[in-house]
Amino acid sequence: EVQLVQSGAEVKKPGESLKISCKGSGYSFTSYWIGWVRQMPGKGLEWMGIIYPGDSDTRYSPSFQGQVTISADKSISTAYLQWSSLKASDTAMYYCGIGSGSSGWFDPWGQGTLVTVSS
Amino acid sequence: EIVMTQSPATLSVSPGERATLSCRASQSVSSNLAWYQQKPGQAPRLLIYGASTRATGIPARFSGSGSGTEFTLTISSLQSEDFAVYYCQQYNNWPSFGGGTKVEIK
Repeated sequence: EVQLVQSGAEVKKPGESLKISCKGSGYSFTSYWIGWVRQMPGKGLEWMGIIYPGDSDTRYSPSFQGQVTISADKSISTAYLQWSSLKASDTAMYYCGIGSGSSGWFDPWGQGTLVTVSS
Repeated sequence: EIVMTQSPATLSVSPGERATLSCRASQSVSSNLAWYQQKPGQAPRLLIYGASTRATGIPARFSGSGSGTEFTLTISSLQSEDFAVYYCQQYNNWPSFGGGTKVEIK
């Protein structure tokens, strides 16, 4: 079964750094894009960016360029989303998903990681 | 950036009735459109890609149509498990999602 399992919920303070993870299993991790999507509380979905673990080719939505870093460690089939300095406005649920291409649909999705940033 | 607009924001439907959801793109996205279903506390689930192709395991009561800038998701006979929020997503350019349509019980 193709599956993405994300790391657990995080509570952080503004200015702190954070790295959340998304571990793939049941498929060839290096052969498919993995992307990240933000969902702020009570709001819709926002496409953040995507990475091809095979060669680490990474694309960012202009809205998120410079705000986050997407990476992957193919030795452990895990993709990451990280922040160097969190803001309260980063409070959201973050989902990873297997992309059909560098710009495509996502299927399947991880279960989501809730990030709460509060002083 | 391509802006995706979904309507209506909320659709009240009785079980067994037909539901028709709309998605409009600010410029042509050809057939590069997907639909997702999201239930409370769950991740989105892919329903349709390529505007009209059902994803694996999706019941035949879900159908998608359209191309260019106008798209429709139809649920032919609503079941209790279909009450959820539905999102469209274009992937012709930098991917972007619509704001969602909540399908609620009438």
